[in-house]
Amino acid sequence: DAGVTQSPTHLIKTRGQHVTLRCSPISGHKSVSWYQQVLGQGPQFIFQYYEKEERGRGNFPDRFSARQFPNYSSELNVNALLLGDSALYLCASRPGLGGGANTGELFFGEGSRLTVL
Amino acid sequence: GESVGLHLPTLSVQEGDNSIINCAYSNSASDYFIWYKQESGKGPQFIIDIRSNMDKRQGQRVTVLLNKTVKHLSLQIAATQPGDSAVYFCAENNNFNKFYFGSGTKLNVKP
Repeated sequence: DAGVTQSPTHLIKTRGQHVTLRCSPISGHKSVSWYQQVLGQGPQFIFQYYEKEERGRGNFPDRFSARQFPNYSSELNVNALLLGDSALYLCASRPGLGGGANTGELFFGEGSRLTVL
Repeated sequence: GESVGLHLPTLSVQEGDNSIINCAYSNSASDYFIWYKQESGKGPQFIIDIRSNMDKRQGQRVTVLLNKTVKHLSLQIAATQPGDSAVYFCAENNNFNKFYFGSGTKLNVKP
């Protein structure tokens, strides 16, 4: 079975541009989360979506937005790129929201590495 | 806000020895913790988790210990192998929506 897939794997943008990153969750998973991982640091939570609704948002500016489609895939959009947006953007999926009898395990993709020049 | 930190940024061990990676967390409301392993160029991979109503959980060659009194988490890897070389992150959670990750410990296994 395919894991979480992300595209593109690598991309280079210049300051002020816009970027769209895409994620396909594991088949059957309805929850998708986005994390930003700056080099040398742990992942930082950006968004969680479940059943096409935003269920959580991290401490990121409004330049960051996301959405989830009926097939549970997701897009992360970043406008007006800054040098500091250079990072590995990770998408993670899990079957539901978690909690109760479910584990909270997140299944991560390999990430999209964004470089802003 | 929450903060998750690690005591050592880099840990070097001899192949076959046991490894212990430590993590401190600050949010006493966190009730679920996960250890992830991240190899170079890959996404984080789940290792083991523990809920706050437990103080120890064992997996295959790995054990997680939770000390809620001092808000400390540790990952023990038995008989460390070269394939264990990676960066290890602990993550905490209290509502299953967002996880807070530490900055990671790099484990180097010497042959």
